[in-house]
Amino acid sequence: QVQMLQSGVEVKKPGASVKVSCKASGYKFTSHGISWVRQAPGQGLEWMGWISSDSGNSKYEQKFQGRLTLTTDKSTTTAYMELRSLRSGDTAVYYCVRDKLYAFDNWGQGTLVIVFS
Amino acid sequence: QSALTQPPSASGSPGQSVAISCTGTSSDVGGSNYVSWYQQYPGKAPKLLIYEVNNRPSGVPDRFSGSKSGNTASLTVSGLQAEDEAHYYCTSYAATGRVFGGGTKLTVL
Repeated sequence: QVQMLQSGVEVKKPGASVKVSCKASGYKFTSHGISWVRQAPGQGLEWMGWISSDSGNSKYEQKFQGRLTLTTDKSTTTAYMELRSLRSGDTAVYYCVRDKLYAFDNWGQGTLVIVFS
Repeated sequence: QSALTQPPSASGSPGQSVAISCTGTSSDVGGSNYVSWYQQYPGKAPKLLIYEVNNRPSGVPDRFSGSKSGNTASLTVSGLQAEDEAHYYCTSYAATGRVFGGGTKLTVL
């Protein structure tokens, strides 16, 4: 079965960077892209960006341009999300999701990122 | 990219039907058949309920249905059950990427 297994909780200081990993399994990795979605405490879902697992092409939500980098490693079927210049408003649960024809059909368990001084 | 507009709350009694709306623009919902809906329980990852406006993944009960008219998509939950109490989110493909609705808390009375 399809699984998206994410790395664990991260605690960072303002101004630092965080890199979250997402190990995909149970399907042909290069057949579907991966999106990243975050959810601040008590808030709704927010799309951050998408990456093609095949070509590496990516698209980012405007508000994250310049701070966000999405990458994939085909050899290990792992996707990565790096967010830089962290601020308290970046405290959230970050999800990787398989993006199949613009629907998010399989979600990771989420990674809590806490930005705290 | 502005968020899609959903009512913050909806409610219904067991057995009733409830519809949740999701309003966007011609740049997203109105111009795309890639509208999907998600169910989320507290502390859990969301789950795909509907894709491409009105398609259900295998395993999703047929009590859940989707539709779209113009710039507004809707999720209808028929035969409400206690376990349907959750948050529901819509999302749409847009030229700039993807856009989510703000979410609707569905309460089963």
